[in-house]
Amino acid sequence: SQTIHQWPATLVQPVGSPLSLECTVEGTSNPNLYWYRQAAGRGLQLLFYSVGIGQISSEVPQNLSASRPQDRQFILSSKKLLLSDSGFYLCAWSLDYQETQYFGPGTRLLVL
Amino acid sequence: AQSVTQLDSHVSVSEGTPVLLRCNYSSSYSPSLFWYVQHPNKGLQLLLKYTSAATLVKGINGFEAEFKKSETSFHLTKPSAHMSDAAEYFCVVSDTGGYNKLIFGAGTRLAVHP
Repeated sequence: SQTIHQWPATLVQPVGSPLSLECTVEGTSNPNLYWYRQAAGRGLQLLFYSVGIGQISSEVPQNLSASRPQDRQFILSSKKLLLSDSGFYLCAWSLDYQETQYFGPGTRLLVL
Repeated sequence: AQSVTQLDSHVSVSEGTPVLLRCNYSSSYSPSLFWYVQHPNKGLQLLLKYTSAATLVKGINGFEAEFKKSETSFHLTKPSAHMSDAAEYFCVVSDTGGYNKLIFGAGTRLAVHP
């Protein structure tokens, strides 16, 4: 069966520091991968999605970037964090021919 | 463009009473529709999915939803609420833009009281 992992689970970072969040999927090949952000009291905002290694599409202009160095690894990064980057970051995967997305446990990021 | 509107930001029910979470969608074609649930500080879990088969969709934990094209609605119901149902619920529509992109509603927070 497929599983999705995210780490770290919780992160507290100062403004201006770099960021790296990791997401990995097990038990499937060539998944579509997604990064979402959920700000306090708000819905989910799609940040990036990837349909293959090295292929990244950005949904909104922002301080963040994403990379997919391996088939089942998706990384969310920032060179300098802003206060507004605080939130709950969720990674998800789907099979190419299906619409259902399966979500990881999330990373809670607090920028101070 | 596709969109989804969850009509209630908060719903409060007593344990053992019915649950109704309302969702309306906008789509220029027959969409796929989903309900996800999120417990505090957790990821999202798929409750159920509609993909143009039966209009009444049964999901996990006793939830079901009915697709009504004439009303562009996809309301989530459960006959009897349990304390463990307290969570945030998201109505979701598929995006015609491809790559299996989903469009999320703002969410409905369900509180269940003893």
